[in-house]
Amino acid sequence: DADVTQTPRNRITKTGKRIMLECSQTKGHDRMYWYRQDPGLGLRLIYYSFDVKDINKGEISDGYSVSRQAQAKFSLSLESAIPNQTALYFCATSDRLAGLLNTGELFFGEGSRLTVL
Amino acid sequence: QKEVEQDPGPLSVPEGAIVSLNCTYSNSAFQYFMWYRQYSRKGPELLMYTYSSGNKEDGRFTAQVDKSSKYISLFIRDSQPSDSATYLCAMTARDGGTSYGKLTFGQGTILTVHP
Repeated sequence: DADVTQTPRNRITKTGKRIMLECSQTKGHDRMYWYRQDPGLGLRLIYYSFDVKDINKGEISDGYSVSRQAQAKFSLSLESAIPNQTALYFCATSDRLAGLLNTGELFFGEGSRLTVL
Repeated sequence: QKEVEQDPGPLSVPEGAIVSLNCTYSNSAFQYFMWYRQYSRKGPELLMYTYSSGNKEDGRFTAQVDKSSKYISLFIRDSQPSDSATYLCAMTARDGGTSYGKLTFGQGTILTVHP
């Protein structure tokens, strides 16, 4: 089984619908992140969480919300989806020590492809 | 202007070629530089990590950082079809130990190595 699991892997929805993307990890890492990837724009950080009680906005948080239900679970919600939220979404984790050393090693899930019509 | 600019490619080379992938950046606070590799329908995975200026070699891969020019490169020697993937540069500043995963990524370069 994958260390970082995202569900669903693919989702097509309509404008205005509420969507939740879920992420769970078995790596035991305390830090979790949501990124989106768009062609020509690379990966951009949406939200990140250092632990269950610590959630922070990234560079493109508008239109998104998150919930850290447990150390191993971090979900991303689109309250009212719009077409420009069509993208590939990645959940990632990192270890606090790696963060202190600034090694930059994020462990990514396989992505959730969201299409908003 | 984006903080990190990466040659978009796509890049198509024959097997055995030397590949050069490049990124420039504008934030002089960046001190940690990474290259991630992303295969089709997969998440990115860390390939190389370098601190400050200099070279780092790992097998067929060499990462090079020139902080004076704000320019980083990844060289792949004797490229193989299995190297076909998207390569993303990423970087972050040093922040006294409270670092988090706020990496700034380049746009990614799609590389195809054909037999």
